[in-house]
Amino acid sequence: AQSVTQLDSQVPVFEEAPVELRCNYSSSVSVYLFWYVQYPNQGLQLLLKYLSGSTLVKGINGFEAEFNKSQTSFHLRKPSVHISDTAEYFCAVTIPNLFFGTGTRLTVIP
Amino acid sequence: GAVVSQHPSRVICKSGTSVKIECRSLDFQATTMFWYRQFPKQSLMLMATSNEGSKATYEQGVEKDKFLINHASLTLSTLTVTSAHPEDSSFYICSANRQDGTDTQYFGPGTRLTVL
Repeated sequence: AQSVTQLDSQVPVFEEAPVELRCNYSSSVSVYLFWYVQYPNQGLQLLLKYLSGSTLVKGINGFEAEFNKSQTSFHLRKPSVHISDTAEYFCAVTIPNLFFGTGTRLTVIP
Repeated sequence: GAVVSQHPSRVICKSGTSVKIECRSLDFQATTMFWYRQFPKQSLMLMATSNEGSKATYEQGVEKDKFLINHASLTLSTLTVTSAHPEDSSFYICSANRQDGTDTQYFGPGTRLTVL
């Protein structure tokens, strides 16, 4: 069955520390991969996307993600987080409709 | 950019009334728009795919007679929650495909519906 899994529902991290938010997917077809961020009571904002080409994708706000086909993963990383990065992060995959993971709440601690 | 707006941002209504939510793509044309529902602290669930000039495609378990979708133009889709009940209270988010061949969806800011 096709699915998107975000293993961590909550990730607390201190300010200026690095962070990795994990995403794994299962699909029998080629996919496009996305990371979205949702701030409280707001819609989703596209952080970055992987369509093809280089497996390392850079997005907005200093985030990047790496597509690993063999591990079917698309983990999101940032080398140094800020307080303003506190939000809900969703991994999404087109299989073929956009299918979302359950989200990871990133909390940056001062 | 690719801006999608929703109106209203918040609505409170009485049980039994109908509520219309608008979704507009402001700077691009969208032949396909999507409607999602998000329960508190949960992910987004696709309700339906709205196609300009044709009937919407509803996901399994979504009542098409309750959630009426109209995609009358390339920049506007509406979702009408008919005979709303408290269990319809939720965060409704629309998105639009920019038709640039990348399958990228751009999301509106969402509408918080509260049914009393």
